[in-house]
Amino acid sequence: AQKITQTQPGMFVQEKEAVTLDCTYDTSDQSYGLFWYKQPSSGEMIFLIYQGSYDEQNATEGRYSLNFQKARKSANLVISASQLGDSAMYFCAMRRPISSGSARQLTFGSGTQLTVLP
Amino acid sequence: GAVVSQHPSRVICKSGTSVKIECRSLDFQATTMFWYRQFPKQSLMLMATSNEGSKATYEQGVEKDKFLINHASLTLSTLTVTSAHPEDSSFYICSAGDRVVTEAFFGQGTRLTVV
Repeated sequence: AQKITQTQPGMFVQEKEAVTLDCTYDTSDQSYGLFWYKQPSSGEMIFLIYQGSYDEQNATEGRYSLNFQKARKSANLVISASQLGDSAMYFCAMRRPISSGSARQLTFGSGTQLTVLP
Repeated sequence: GAVVSQHPSRVICKSGTSVKIECRSLDFQATTMFWYRQFPKQSLMLMATSNEGSKATYEQGVEKDKFLINHASLTLSTLTVTSAHPEDSSFYICSAGDRVVTEAFFGQGTRLTVV
């Protein structure tokens, strides 16, 4: 079974500073996908970044980067130059490979509530 | 990116009535759609997997007779909460994917309140 752990229920960061949100995972699959989503108070799930388990480079998308350490089974999200609009809940998620025969549903962590301070 | 539209965004209904929530993939064919439930300040929990043209697969503990799922076409899945009770009040959100698209796209979510 897959498991995603986010140990930080809440984080605070000063505007314009960088922040790292932790995510560790457990899986017996060799191939898997890791996702980060942002959920503002409106509830929508906004896709931020994706890392495949065989990707050698850490994924980056604008101000978001994923610090992928496969041996440690961690996939931390780094947000650079934080903005007030970054205040939201952030979820780490994992998806099993197509070859596993399972559907492509995601397993989510418990989330981290990020608050950006002015 | 691909768009998934969910309707309604907010609904209030009386106990004992049924509520239908629609999830549409707007610019791609979604062979599979997923329905999640989220309680306040908690994570998303998968309720069921909806496959076009076949019966939905429900997660353990989810009552299939209470949460009816229909995936009649490649662009539409519906979740019907039957005989709703106040404890069914929650945030329901769908996602859609196919074998090509990498990321799972989510609808806007539906906040259901049963009074």
